[in-house]
Order: sequence, then structure tokens, then C-alpha cells
Amino acid sequence: DIQMTQSPSSLSASVGDRLTITCRADQSINTYLNWYQQKPGKAPNLLVFHASTLQSGVPSRFSGSGSGTHFTLTISSLQPEDFATYYCQQSHTTPLTFGGGTKVEIK
Amino acid sequence: QVQLQESGPGLVKPSQTLSLTCTVSGGSISTDDNYWTWIRQSPGKGLEWIGYIYFRGSTYYNPSLESRVTISVDTSKNQFSLNLRSVTAADTAIYYCVSQDSTNYFFDFWGQGALVTVSS
Repeated sequence: DIQMTQSPSSLSASVGDRLTITCRADQSINTYLNWYQQKPGKAPNLLVFHASTLQSGVPSRFSGSGSGTHFTLTISSLQPEDFATYYCQQSHTTPLTFGGGTKVEIK
Repeated sequence: QVQLQESGPGLVKPSQTLSLTCTVSGGSISTDDNYWTWIRQSPGKGLEWIGYIYFRGSTYYNPSLESRVTISVDTSKNQFSLNLRSVTAADTAIYYCVSQDSTNYFFDFWGQGALVTVSS
């Protein structure tokens, strides 16, 4: 299985901050990398697919980049509704696997 | 927009079979655009992809669960189902039914999730 590692596992930030979350794969996955946001008690919600394509309806302050084994999700200006847990997921090889998550909390 | 809703028992005894059904609305399950997928989430193991079914019946399961899992589809009811046999406490989790893009293998629509507890 392809192992996905996210860093940090948690962070504290303020509204308006620029935030970057990292996801690494233990082997190359080209750009087959997707990002999700999950709020407490809710299902994950797709933000970005194919490493950098924003899902319809997702605010433009979210952006994804990377290829191979190193990927990032950036929030350009953190909004109150962005405090949540973020997961990466590789779609290169089955079984499909997720990172362990990055919890973004209010400072 | 596609909507998914899980249904089934919230409590299952150890060694028994966990059974959940997902009802799809707002779209047909008989589409080449999606696979119909089960994912679970537990504090200990995070998000775990269980497997998927295509509306014509072909399946793919996570090898870690393959010996205990069956996913089936009923196109007449626009539903698909999960059976997980011989459950233990480690199978306690929130189970999500999800639509999986059949080309890019991302998960675009999720059910609200069903908490299933394995306990005697």
C-alpha cells in the first residue's frame, strides 16, 4: 500500500493567516492526489483533485500543488469556516489510501 | 446533485455480520461516471477505503478486508450494500457510502455516515 504522511498533524492559526499543509507519499504518485476538508460530525468534503484542480464551489483561497511524492495545500487567507481537519488521499494505486490528517485550530 | 444515505443497525455483536445499505438519490446508480464505495473512519485507523462496486456488478476490495467483505448493488432500488463478516471491536467506526469518480478515483459525494459499534 502507498503510505501518505501529512505534516503537521495539527496547528494553531489566526484568521487571515496564510497556511500550508504538506502531504508526502512513500512512492511517486504523479499528480494523483486529492484533498478533503472535514468538520466535526460531518463527512469529508472534496476540495482539490489531481493535485491542483479546485472542485466546483470551493473558494479560490484554497490551492493545491505538487507532483511525485511531495504535495501542498495552501489557504491564502484563513477564514473562520476553514478551521477543520484536512486529509490528503492518493488515487494512483489501489488500495486508495489517506493521510492521517492535519487539524487546523484557532490560535 | 447526488445524495447518499446510509442505513442499518448501529450495534453489532462480535463475530456477527455488519450490514449497511446506501440509497442514492438525485442521480442514477447505473452510470459509467462513478463507482460506489464504502469508506470507514475510526480514531485508531483514520480513514480507510473498504472497496467499491460498479453498477454492472464488478467489485474491488481493500486486500486488508477482502476476506470478510462483500459489496453488492441493486440497480432497481438505486442502492448498494456492504456486508462485513466476523466483526470485532476493531471494526467499530463511522461507515460512509461515497461516490467515487471512475476515472480519477476521487470521492465527490459522501453520505452523512453511520456509526456502527461492535459490542456484546
